Amino acid sequence: QQQVKQSPQSLIVQKGGISIINCAYENTAFDYFPWYQQFPGKGPALLIAIRPDVSEKKEGRFTISFNKSAKQFSLHIMDSQPGDSATYFCAATNRITGNQFYFGTGTSLTVIP
Amino acid sequence: DGGITQSPKYLFRKEGQNVTLSCEQNLNHDAMYWYRQDPGQGLRLIYYSQIVNDFQKGDIAEGYSVSREKKESFPLTVTSAQKNPTAFYLCASSRLDWNEQFFGPGTRLTVL
Repeated sequence: QQQVKQSPQSLIVQKGGISIINCAYENTAFDYFPWYQQFPGKGPALLIAIRPDVSEKKEGRFTISFNKSAKQFSLHIMDSQPGDSATYFCAATNRITGNQFYFGTGTSLTVIP
Repeated sequence: DGGITQSPKYLFRKEGQNVTLSCEQNLNHDAMYWYRQDPGQGLRLIYYSQIVNDFQKGDIAEGYSVSREKKESFPLTVTSAQKNPTAFYLCASSRLDWNEQFFGPGTRLTVL
């Protein structure tokens, strides 16, 4: 079963708009939630990550919002640019037993000029 | 220049053949991982290793084998028992005391 559920599967946004990708998890033992960005034919690269002791983390145009009670977290890309066009994966793991990351199914983002 | 290298970038295999994918890291990471990526299914863990000469199965280990004879290297063999091996394979590594995983550029395997 999918430990982390991600939506939408694909997203098209105009340049300058806000891109929002959502993830939900079930395992309350998860305590580290990274987002990865992947360009075609490349490996994923860490974009931003959050721990559940904060509700929001911002790095430049990228923000993670975290709702512990709802077991949901989301990635917001402000002022989306064509260079942001990529596939985004959310993930979850437990830092103590952090052997295994559980990844969402990915969101293909296209930012049109 | 530290990082993870995977080779080859593209690999073609005939049905019934075993094939080995290479993964090397010079980040001095203890843990290494192999993932399989298929369209619409995200990344699924095949095997991982936290120490030399030891490794554990992930969610989809059937039809795959690994070895960890050196800290820097974690090769993956796709055996003929893997029924649907065509996929993009990603290797990753991490420190044991920190969760961030660093990924290699991937190998695309196609079975002809």
